[in-house]
Amino acid sequence: GENVEQHPSTLSVQEGDSAVIKCTYSDSASNYFPWYKQELGKGPQLIIDIRSNVGEKKDQRIAVTLNKTAKHFSLHITETQPEDSAVYFCAASTRGNMLTFGGGTRLMVKP
Amino acid sequence: DTGVSQNPRHKITKRGQNVTFRCDPISEHNRLYWYRQTLGQGPEFLTYFQNEAQLEKSRLLSDRFSAERPKGSFSTLEIQRTEQGDSAMYLCASSSHYTGYPYSNQPQHFGDGTRLSIL
Repeated sequence: GENVEQHPSTLSVQEGDSAVIKCTYSDSASNYFPWYKQELGKGPQLIIDIRSNVGEKKDQRIAVTLNKTAKHFSLHITETQPEDSAVYFCAASTRGNMLTFGGGTRLMVKP
Repeated sequence: DTGVSQNPRHKITKRGQNVTFRCDPISEHNRLYWYRQTLGQGPEFLTYFQNEAQLEKSRLLSDRFSAERPKGSFSTLEIQRTEQGDSAMYLCASSSHYTGYPYSNQPQHFGDGTRLSIL
């Protein structure tokens, strides 16, 4: 089955700096890659997603890149703010049903 | 609020008891998923429904677990004879589904989960 690895497990940045979180996946048939933000006591909230026919997608301060050959995808957050502090999860899906999640990255943005 | 709704938010029970959780998906979504999340880990897939049909079950879903979606709307997840290892957050998500590439993957939207604690 699919295996998704996520790095780093924790990331601390100064407010205004950029943050990058990286994921690798094992199943070359995976074709959908969402990113979720999870705050304490809440469920995961979808923040951006990318499909395998696209190499990059941007939404305001958030961007995701996908390298299908290397089986990597990354989340980039620019101009970080304290409210970006949360746990971020990447995920991969092959058949339009189950998501396989990475282990999560705890992002801390210091004011 | 038209998001995914889960009840109860918290459940504390003694080992050996049965528990049932409910999920109400976003109304126009025909797919409903259950995941389990333990502390410090990403969610793990348990099962999913398309309308009332249960289409896939993970190996994590032992015979003590059963899920239903009787009318293709809300779903219930029951755990019988709970064990310490069942303590986790149980998350429900829903999505639309369309046939045909590239639209087969639609975003899954999660509820805030039911946190289960086994004493």
